[in-house]
Amino acid sequence: GENVEQHPSTLSVQEGDSAVIKCTYSDSASNYFPWYKQELGKGPQLIIDIRSNVGEKKDQRIAVTLNKTAKHFSLHITETQPEDSAVYFCAASNFGNEKLTFGTGTRLTIIP
Amino acid sequence: DAGITQSPRYKITETGRQVTLMCHQTWSHSYMFWYRQDLGHGLRLIYYSAAADITDKGEVPDGYVVSRSKTENFPLTLESATRSQTSVYFCASQGLFYEQYFGPGTRLTVT
Repeated sequence: GENVEQHPSTLSVQEGDSAVIKCTYSDSASNYFPWYKQELGKGPQLIIDIRSNVGEKKDQRIAVTLNKTAKHFSLHITETQPEDSAVYFCAASNFGNEKLTFGTGTRLTIIP
Repeated sequence: DAGITQSPRYKITETGRQVTLMCHQTWSHSYMFWYRQDLGHGLRLIYYSAAADITDKGEVPDGYVVSRSKTENFPLTLESATRSQTSVYFCASQGLFYEQYFGPGTRLTVT
């Protein structure tokens, strides 16, 4: 089955700087890669996703890149703000198999 | 209220007891999922359902039972709770474009 590895497990960045979280996956058939943000005491919330026919996707300060050859994808947050502090999860699946496999999460702390 | 809800939000039970966690969604999504979240493991899939009366095992199904008689409800039952089932449980449903929407979670403690 699919295996998703996520790094780093914790990340602290100064407010205004950029943060990058990286994930690798094992199943070359995977073609859907969402990122979730989880705030304390809440359920994960989808913030951005990318499909394998796209190499990069942006939404304001958030971007995701995908390298299918190397089987890795990354989340980039620019101009970080205190409200970006949360745990972020990457995941992978393939269309036709609705099960998502999640990474183990990254705790991002923005230092004011 | 529209969305996905879980009840109870917090539950303390004793070893050996049966406990049921409820999940309700108002979108009429076909797919629904149950995950458990433990430190160091991220989110692990317990069971999922493609439609009413169709369920299948996920990564960690042992000790759990699910049913889905109506599209909007997907209860998870621990038939005889064990301490290793102490966790935070999340229900989710899947939208039209494969995105999953999560409920607020149930924190379960088994003593």
